[in-house]
Amino acid sequence: GAGVSQSPSNKVTEKGKDVELRCDPISGHTALYWYRQSLGQGLEFLIYFQGNSAPDKSGLPSDRFSAERTGGSVSTLTIQRTQQEDSAVYLCASSDYRGREQYFGPGTRLTVT
Amino acid sequence: EDKVVQSPLSLVVHEGDTVTLNCSYEVTNFRSLLWYKQEKKAPTFLFMLTSSGIEKKSGRLSSILDKKELSSILNITATQTGDSAIYLCAGVRTNAGKSTFGDGTTLTVKP
Repeated sequence: GAGVSQSPSNKVTEKGKDVELRCDPISGHTALYWYRQSLGQGLEFLIYFQGNSAPDKSGLPSDRFSAERTGGSVSTLTIQRTQQEDSAVYLCASSDYRGREQYFGPGTRLTVT
Repeated sequence: EDKVVQSPLSLVVHEGDTVTLNCSYEVTNFRSLLWYKQEKKAPTFLFMLTSSGIEKKSGRLSSILDKKELSSILNITATQTGDSAIYLCAGVRTNAGKSTFGDGTTLTVKP
């Protein structure tokens, strides 16, 4: 595609439910990143994929968070047993190689009630 | 732990003014520094800086990296209301995907 796409654009869920957020990177981009941005804050790194492997998971805030990437393309970020503090905008980015400029998707705004 | 600090946190100027935004970094095995503009949800890429002292320029925007001072500046000349946004910088490690972002500078340009 022309750019990074994410779905859904907005998600409202009840505390304790699981959610899945999807990211479609730019075609051919081997690196994929997930970030979280709370209101008025900078971007918080969550996880990075090179191809299908995740060499850096250091940013995942708890074991309720997991992510996978299949076929070197689409990635899914899963949050289990959501908590109110998980409410944020989740941004996905891709680049043609690690350490190069990252192109961001429009984000998914997650609200946990 | 890597750290990126931006200043000022917010800035209000009038159209036509010139602004300088600052970014300082402490990044292990530093590779590059990235600047982004964020107006709504998705940050848009502005510059990637890897070499010290070489200015990158795009229209009214320019940026330079100082590896000795572990810092970078983003200059915007002849500001316009459309420049109003949050400007983010990020430090990137060598051989690692992790990017550490600062909290951003919120720029407001008044007519």
